[in-house]
Amino acid sequence: KAGVTQTPRYLIKTRGQQVTLSCSPISGHRSVSWYQQTPGQGLQFLFEYFSETQRNKGNFPGRFSGRQFSNSRSEMNVSTLELGDSALYLCASSIGTGIEQYFGPGTRLTVT
Amino acid sequence: AQTVTQSQPEMSVQEAETVTLSCTYDTSESDYYLFWYKQPPSRQMILVIRQEAYKQQNATENRFSVNFQKAAKSFSLKISDSQLGDAAMYFCAYKVPEYGNKLVFGAGTILRVKS
Repeated sequence: KAGVTQTPRYLIKTRGQQVTLSCSPISGHRSVSWYQQTPGQGLQFLFEYFSETQRNKGNFPGRFSGRQFSNSRSEMNVSTLELGDSALYLCASSIGTGIEQYFGPGTRLTVT
Repeated sequence: AQTVTQSQPEMSVQEAETVTLSCTYDTSESDYYLFWYKQPPSRQMILVIRQEAYKQQNATENRFSVNFQKAAKSFSLKISDSQLGDAAMYFCAYKVPEYGNKLVFGAGTILRVKS
């Protein structure tokens, strides 16, 4: 079974631009969660989507948004990028309310 | 607020020896799960072990075991017979099923394994 995939793996953007990251969960998984990982703030929960609905949201500004498609693939979008948005963005998938979550390799976003 | 604290930013262990990583958490919930995740330098986060709060028995997975002290809100990870491949960042994490799959992570502990 293929694991969680994230594209692109690396991205360089300029301040003020917007970016879209993609996450394809393990086949059959309906829940996708997104996390931001930075050296200063550690791992922080962004949001979770389950069956195309946002189920939970972390404490991030409205510039961070996401969505989930009918095939469970998820995208997150960051508008008006700031230098502080430079981070590793991880997604994790789960069957649903199952205990196990499986993480993707992450997308390294650098904002210059 | 739900918080997870890992007080050891970095630990070292000699190959084949045992090391314990500490984690404490703060919650008022009665139903929750605790996890240890490993993140090697390649960055893929891997689940090491999990513990359901309602279970009194400590979880064990091969060389990995936990010491779950519910009253003290402590959840330490013991790695026995350490191997070079155990070198990684280890994160303690917490989840309340009521809030879906949201994980609250500690700051992490870097584990170095010496040969």
